[in-house]
Amino acid sequence: QKEVEQNSGPLSVPEGAIASLNCTYSDRGSQSFFWYRQYSGKSPELIMSIYSNGDKEDGRFTAQLNKASQYVSLLIRDSQPSDSATYLCAVPDAYSSASKIIFGSGTRLSIRP
Amino acid sequence: AAGVIQSPRHLIKEKRETATLKCYPIPRHDTVYWYQQGPGQDPQFLISFYEKMQSDKGSIPDRFSAQQFSDYHSELNMSSLELGDSALYFCASSFRGGSGNTIYFGEGSWLTVV
Repeated sequence: QKEVEQNSGPLSVPEGAIASLNCTYSDRGSQSFFWYRQYSGKSPELIMSIYSNGDKEDGRFTAQLNKASQYVSLLIRDSQPSDSATYLCAVPDAYSSASKIIFGSGTRLSIRP
Repeated sequence: AAGVIQSPRHLIKEKRETATLKCYPIPRHDTVYWYQQGPGQDPQFLISFYEKMQSDKGSIPDRFSAQQFSDYHSELNMSSLELGDSALYFCASSFRGGSGNTIYFGEGSWLTVV
């Protein structure tokens, strides 16, 4: 089992709707969680980080963390065509001295006009 | 704000040749990471350095080596290149003393082996 699991998609959402992206992780001791957005051929760009249970909102983005269930999600409100990208969930490797992050396989999101 | 700088952005090499990628981390960041991303794949961790010492090693082939210099820039050296080494190579940096050790990525270096 991969340490960070995501549905690969593609997830197709109409413009203006809410896109919901989910991620589960295997290490119960994980303390911090990241969502990166990656356009094709470009580098991952940090969208959100979350460390505590509950919701964290930043503009149109909301990250939700449930440590008991070991899942973290990303909601994108009022989806725009520019949100079409691959979204990578990432968790620091608990066994890494440098806290390297481990990526999920990413979910491809497509916003249809 | 300054970001992670990588060079070159694009590189074409022939099989069995050698390639060197350079990375300049965000100022005051003390940790550098190298990732490899093949087409349609998620980024795979190769190696990391903390304060100029190797701290973690991932799925880095023996043909590859890396180091971090006194000015904190890092270089990834790849020898005996194979077609399968064609990928996007990302360098990332972080500051361990920061909140959550957030990692920031450079724009990447495209390596094409022909």
